[in-house]
Amino acid sequence: GAGVSQSPSNKVTEKGKDVELRCDPISGHTALYWYRQSLGQGLEFLIYFQGNSAPDKSGLPSDRFSAERTGGSVSTLTIQRTQQEDSAVYLCASSLGRPETQYFGPGTRLLVL
Amino acid sequence: QKEVEQNSGPLSVPEGAIASLNCTYSDRGSQSFFWYRQYSGKSPELIMSIYSNGDKEDGRFTAQLNKASQYVSLLIRDSQPSDSATYLCAANYGGSQGNLIFGKGTKLSVKP
Repeated sequence: GAGVSQSPSNKVTEKGKDVELRCDPISGHTALYWYRQSLGQGLEFLIYFQGNSAPDKSGLPSDRFSAERTGGSVSTLTIQRTQQEDSAVYLCASSLGRPETQYFGPGTRLLVL
Repeated sequence: QKEVEQNSGPLSVPEGAIASLNCTYSDRGSQSFFWYRQYSGKSPELIMSIYSNGDKEDGRFTAQLNKASQYVSLLIRDSQPSDSATYLCAANYGGSQGNLIFGKGTKLSVKP
C-alpha cells in the first residue's frame, strides 16, 4: 500500500517568505508527527497530532511555526517569515497509535536563501 | 532533559564481521525502543523495535535491551556494504503514550 507522502520534495524560498509543507499519512494512521533534521544532525521533534488534535506542540521552535491537520488525515506545517536557520529537511511520520512504530515520509528539503 | 545518546562514529567494520551499535537513554520510564536505518539523503526506515529486556532477533539483526542499565544495542551479523548507513536509536519518554526521542545516530561503514 501507499506510504507516507510529502510535498513538495524540495523548496527554495527567500528569507521572510511563508512556506507550507504538506504530509499525507498512511491511510488509517491516527497519529502524525513532524520532525526537522538539519545537516548531519538527529531528528528534532516538532509537533504530534492524534486525529485532528495536537496534544504536544512542545517542539515547535518559535511562534513562526504552526501546523494543522484536517479530517484526521492530511497535515500542513506552515513556517511564516522564514529565516536561514529554518533550512533543513522536514520529515513527517505516521503511526496507528502511540507508541506504535512510526513510518516516515521522504521529507521536504527546505532551503531559505 | 530527556536524552538518547549514541556514539556518532564512524564505525568501520569489514564485510562479514559483526557490527555493534550502542545507545543509552536517560528516561527510566521509557518502554519502547526502536532502531531506524537512514541512508544518506533518505528518510529513516524501521529496522527493529524492542519492548522487553533481553534479545530480539530478526534475520541478521539482533536488538538487545537492558532497562536496568538503560542501554539498547543493535548487532548486525555478516555485515554487508549495503548496511553502510546511519543508525538512529529512539526511545519513548513520558510513559507509555510518550513521544519518541531520537539519538543523533551512529554512522556505520562496512568495507568490502
